[in-house]
Amino acid sequence: DAKTTQPNSMESNEEEPVHLPCNHSTISGTDYIHWYRQLPSQGPEYVIHGLTSNVNNRMASLAIAEDRKSSTLILHRATLRDAAVYYCILRGSNYGQNFVFGPGTRLSVLP
Amino acid sequence: DTEVTQTPKHLVMGMTNKKSLKCEQHMGHRAMYWYKQKAKKPPELMFVYSYEKLSINESVPSRFSPECPNSSLLNLHLHALQPEDSALYLCASSQALAGAPLYEQYFGPGTRLTVT
Repeated sequence: DAKTTQPNSMESNEEEPVHLPCNHSTISGTDYIHWYRQLPSQGPEYVIHGLTSNVNNRMASLAIAEDRKSSTLILHRATLRDAAVYYCILRGSNYGQNFVFGPGTRLSVLP
Repeated sequence: DTEVTQTPKHLVMGMTNKKSLKCEQHMGHRAMYWYKQKAKKPPELMFVYSYEKLSINESVPSRFSPECPNSSLLNLHLHALQPEDSALYLCASSQALAGAPLYEQYFGPGTRLTVT
């Protein structure tokens, strides 16, 4: 089953860009890359997802490597509210595996 | 309305009690999920309902009994729980299970359960 690896933790300064990496070297051609985040004392929140092309939305950008073996979630200007655990998840045709969260990256944002 | 609501927010129960957790969404989603999350750990999938039918059961002990009475409601009935079942129980919904890779999941805030 395709799995993801992420750094355990990262730090950023407020109002600076943040690049959160995710490796998924065994990704299959039909797997989508999803990102969620979980703020303290809240349920996870959808951030963004993509298949092959880079994606932008109001929350973040997703940059996907050409070989799709890695991706990067980009927060353009980190705020204190962005301090959370960020999860990179692969979703494909194996429904049971679609909802497996890895350990995620704990992002701290310094004022 | 993109909200998933869960009640109660907190629940303390003894090992011989029977209680239920409730989840509701009004987005017209046809897939609903229960997850369990222990402190400092990622959520773990327990059950998935698709069109009100149980589609995935991740080998969850029978002391947890899910129910989907209609397309908007999802319950989790609890009976004879153990202290190690204390956790945050999260409900989520998505547009459909088929085509799951295309759809985002919406999560509720969770019910924090303590078993004494």
